[in-house]
Amino acid sequence: GENVEQHPSTLSVQEGDSAVIKCTYSDSASNYFPWYKQELGKRPQLIIDIRSNVGEKKDQRIAVTLNKTAKHFSLHITETQPEDSAVYFCAASMADKLIFGTGTRLQVFP
Amino acid sequence: DSGVTQTPKHLITATGQRVTLRCSPRSGDLSVYWYQQSLDQGLQFLIQYYNGEERAKGNILERFSAQQFPDLHSELNLSSLELGDSALYFCASSPNSAGGQETQYFGPGTRLLVL
Repeated sequence: GENVEQHPSTLSVQEGDSAVIKCTYSDSASNYFPWYKQELGKRPQLIIDIRSNVGEKKDQRIAVTLNKTAKHFSLHITETQPEDSAVYFCAASMADKLIFGTGTRLQVFP
Repeated sequence: DSGVTQTPKHLITATGQRVTLRCSPRSGDLSVYWYQQSLDQGLQFLIQYYNGEERAKGNILERFSAQQFPDLHSELNLSSLELGDSALYFCASSPNSAGGQETQYFGPGTRLLVL
């Protein structure tokens, strides 16, 4: 079925360390993979996305990697800051829909 | 600010009642999507409308319905409300009909509390 698994569900890191969040998808036809950041009580905001013709994409401290063979993709945040604390959702395109992972609550401690 | 607007911001109602949530997409966007987010849960896709027509359906209950009007705003109607319907309801929009293939921009959400 249509499924996106996301791990870990919670992640605590020290300020300045790196954080990695991993997602696995079920549909080999998926070709669009966005990542959203949701602060408490706010709307999800797109932070980076990748399409299946690209293996890696970087935007300042944020990078996403995609392994189509293994059907997984990851979000990497380097030099984490307290303002990176939020819930992060991965998503994968499946037919006409975006299917979201269950979210990772990232806490960055000063 | 994504350019997507939703009203009301908060809604408190009783079981058995009916409510209507409203969404206006970003200027120029033709698709509107509705999502439900329960406490500490992910985003569950409910339904997509494109230029007035239903385009894709997710796990939307029969008690829920939606429509998109000629001016492209959309309404989500929730009826015979149950306690379990309490959640954040988000609307998102995108330029075309390509559902999962293009970036979706989210509105600020409507927080529904059913007592």
